[in-house]
Amino acid sequence: AQRVTQPEKLLSVFKGAPVELKCNYSYSGSPELFWYVQYSRQRLQLLLRHISRESIKGFTADLNKGETSFHLKKPFAQEEDSAMYYCALKGQAAGNKLTFGGGTRVLVKP
Amino acid sequence: KAGVTQTPRYLIKTRGQQVTLSCSPISGHRSVSWYQQTPGQGLQFLFEYFSETQRNKGNFPGRFSGRQFSNSRSEMNVSTLELGDSALYLCASSWSGLSTDTQYFGPGTRLTVL
Repeated sequence: AQRVTQPEKLLSVFKGAPVELKCNYSYSGSPELFWYVQYSRQRLQLLLRHISRESIKGFTADLNKGETSFHLKKPFAQEEDSAMYYCALKGQAAGNKLTFGGGTRVLVKP
Repeated sequence: KAGVTQTPRYLIKTRGQQVTLSCSPISGHRSVSWYQQTPGQGLQFLFEYFSETQRNKGNFPGRFSGRQFSNSRSEMNVSTLELGDSALYLCASSWSGLSTDTQYFGPGTRLTVL
């Protein structure tokens, strides 16, 4: 079975402060890990994926297979980063099925 | 390219009725997946269709069904609606449905069951 856990439901930070969203997963094989973001009144959209190894909007995430984690980080949060963030996993044998974590709401205060 | 579209955007039904939701994927995408989003359970996978065949199914009762047409458009149907079926139903499309594919989500259909 595959499972994704996001322990923080809400993260409140000040503008310019670092932000880290935690994501832990359980999966017996080699998963594909994603971060999706949902801004207010917008659709769910892909932020980044671990195989791309790129930084999007200043965010990075590193897959740590030993700790089964895929934490999302940004060194300097901006007000426009306020949104709902979902960590998601796709297993190799599960085709296109995404298993989502419960989500973390990020609020960046001015 | 136009994004994933879903119709209708809002629906109000009563218990016991049935409902059909529609999803038009991005042009050229052959895989369509459906998800249910609720405050209590979060985002849960319903099923995936690829080339008119159901390829994957989540843990939902048989009242939830779907289909895909030759043009890749997909519909999902919920029969004998229950109060707990009130949710935002999202559809997502991708090109091939491989695990490395990126899924693009629609805006969702908000279903309210009274």
